[in-house]
Amino acid sequence: SQTIHQWPATLVQPVGSPLSLECTVEGTSNPNLYWYRQAAGRGLQLLFYSVGIGQISSEVPQNLSASRPQDRQFILSSKKLLLSDSGFYLCAWSWLGATNEKLFFGSGTQLSVL
Amino acid sequence: KQEVTQIPAALSVPEGENLVLNCSFTDSAIYNLQWFRQDPGKGLTSLLLIQSSQREQTSGRLNASLDKSSGRSTLYIAASQPGDSATYLCAVRNSGNTPLVFGKGTRLSVIA
Repeated sequence: SQTIHQWPATLVQPVGSPLSLECTVEGTSNPNLYWYRQAAGRGLQLLFYSVGIGQISSEVPQNLSASRPQDRQFILSSKKLLLSDSGFYLCAWSWLGATNEKLFFGSGTQLSVL
Repeated sequence: KQEVTQIPAALSVPEGENLVLNCSFTDSAIYNLQWFRQDPGKGLTSLLLIQSSQREQTSGRLNASLDKSSGRSTLYIAASQPGDSATYLCAVRNSGNTPLVFGKGTRLSVIA
């Protein structure tokens, strides 16, 4: 069966510090991978998605970047965090090209930038 | 640009009541629509997925319907239980390779 791991669960970082959030998927190959942010009152916002190694699409201009160094690994990074980067970050995956395209989410990382 | 709206933002009902959650979308040319459940501080769990050619999907006490022409979907929960308390999100996909667009969700409280 497929599982998705996301860590850490919570993170408190000072403004200007770097960020690295990691997400890995097990039990499948060549998944679509996604990073979402959920801020209070703003709903779920797609940040990045990837359909393959080294292929990253950015949905929103921002202080963040994403990388996919391996097929089942997706990393969200920032060189210098801003207060506005606070939020709940969710990684997700789906099968590429399948008729049943359900999206499966990780457990999330609550990031507080102080 | 696709926009997804969910009304109401919050709903409180007594246990045992049947209820309907609403989702509307501006671009009716969708590929599929999904309903998710999110518990506080947790990730999302997919409940039901309806392809554009389908009218409804059922899973246990949950029934989701889709009316593409009017840009609407409803999630019907029968005989609600306190364990159903969560935020329910609707999301649509406009083509097979585009990301989902989410609504802001409806926060449901079922009171025992």
